Amino acid sequence: GENVEQHPSTLSVQEGDSAVIKCTYSDSASNYFPWYKQELGKRPQLIIDIRSNVGEKKDQRIAVTLNKTAKHFSLHITETQPEDSAVYFCAADGGSQGNLIFGKGTKLSVKP
Amino acid sequence: EPEVTQTPSHQVTQMGQEVILRCVPISNHLYFYWYRQILGQKVEFLVSFYNNEISEKSEIFDDQFSVERPDGSNFTLKIRSTKLEDSAMYFCASSALWGLAGGPKQFFGPGTRLTVL
Repeated sequence: GENVEQHPSTLSVQEGDSAVIKCTYSDSASNYFPWYKQELGKRPQLIIDIRSNVGEKKDQRIAVTLNKTAKHFSLHITETQPEDSAVYFCAADGGSQGNLIFGKGTKLSVKP
Repeated sequence: EPEVTQTPSHQVTQMGQEVILRCVPISNHLYFYWYRQILGQKVEFLVSFYNNEISEKSEIFDDQFSVERPDGSNFTLKIRSTKLEDSAMYFCASSALWGLAGGPKQFFGPGTRLTVL
């Protein structure tokens, strides 16, 4: 089955800097790669997603890139703000009915 | 904006007892999921449900677990005989159509924190 690896596990940046989180997946049949942001004690919130027929997608300060050949995808956050501090999870679709396989998460801390 | 809702927010139970966790998915969604998250760990898939039957399940979803859509709005997860290791946050999620070059967005509920004593 699908396996998703995520790095780094923790990331600390200064406000205004960029942050990059990387994920790799194992199943070449995966076609959908969402990113979720989870604040402490809250639900995972979808922040951006990308499908396999697209190499890059951007939404304001957030962008995701996908390299299907290498089976890796990355989240880029520019001009980070303290409210970006949270745990970020990448995921890949693991089956025909859309179950998501998550990475272990990256705890992002943005220092003012 | 419509959201997935879950009740209760926190459930405390004794080991061996049965619990039912409830979810109301977004009304026009067709696919429903349960995930769990042990404290400080990643989100893990349990089961997916479509057209009134289980579509896929993980190895975590053994015989003590069951799901049901008892009416047009609720989606439930039952744990028949709870164990200490079932303590976790349980998230329900729902999505619209699946397929067609990759999946649709899954929206998560606020979760039910299950504590087994």
